Amino acid sequence: AQSVTQLGSHVSVSEGALVLLRCNYSSSVPPYLFWYVQYPNQGLQLLLKYTSAATLVKGINGFEAEFKKSETSFHLTKPSAHMSDAAEYFCAVSDTGFQKLVFGTGTRLLVSP
Amino acid sequence: NAGVTQTPKFRVLKTGQSMTLLCAQDMNHEYMYWYRQDPGMGLRLIHYSVGEGTTAKGEVPDGYNVSRLKKQNFLLGLESAAPSQTSVYFCASRYRGGNLDTQYFGPGTRLTVL
Repeated sequence: AQSVTQLGSHVSVSEGALVLLRCNYSSSVPPYLFWYVQYPNQGLQLLLKYTSAATLVKGINGFEAEFKKSETSFHLTKPSAHMSDAAEYFCAVSDTGFQKLVFGTGTRLLVSP
Repeated sequence: NAGVTQTPKFRVLKTGQSMTLLCAQDMNHEYMYWYRQDPGMGLRLIHYSVGEGTTAKGEVPDGYNVSRLKKQNFLLGLESAAPSQTSVYFCASRYRGGNLDTQYFGPGTRLTVL
């Protein structure tokens, strides 16, 4: 079975500071890994995904994530936080076929001026 | 392109009542999914479909039924609603195309069962 653990239900940063959201996965097969963002009262939007092509994945809005097999991690980073980054972020893992996503519990990012 | 739309946006039911949630997509996607989102639990897959006329169970299928009679629509039914089904329901459709392979989510339906 596949699973995802997101450390920290809330992360607070100042505008301009580094954003680091942690995600560890468990999978018995080579995984596909995703980061989604959810703004208040909206659906989820894909930030980026890992599909074994490259370990460093660049996504939208300046976010990137690095797949580390030895650490079973897929942490999300952004060099400089912006107020508009305040949202909830979900890490997810799936099989390579049906893409049945298994989500983490989410991390709410708070950005202060 | 409207993308993925969900009807209704909000609904309040009494225990034992039934209802159907409609998901529609205009992107000609084969795959569609229903998820529920509960506080502190992320999203969990209820049912999914890999094409018109097909459905399959996800992680939490009990108490729900689905139908995919038309490619563009995926219906989620609750035959006898229970308070435990109070949740926000999201539908998604999937574009399968190499690097662009991704799921597109609708805006959600907030359901309260009293």
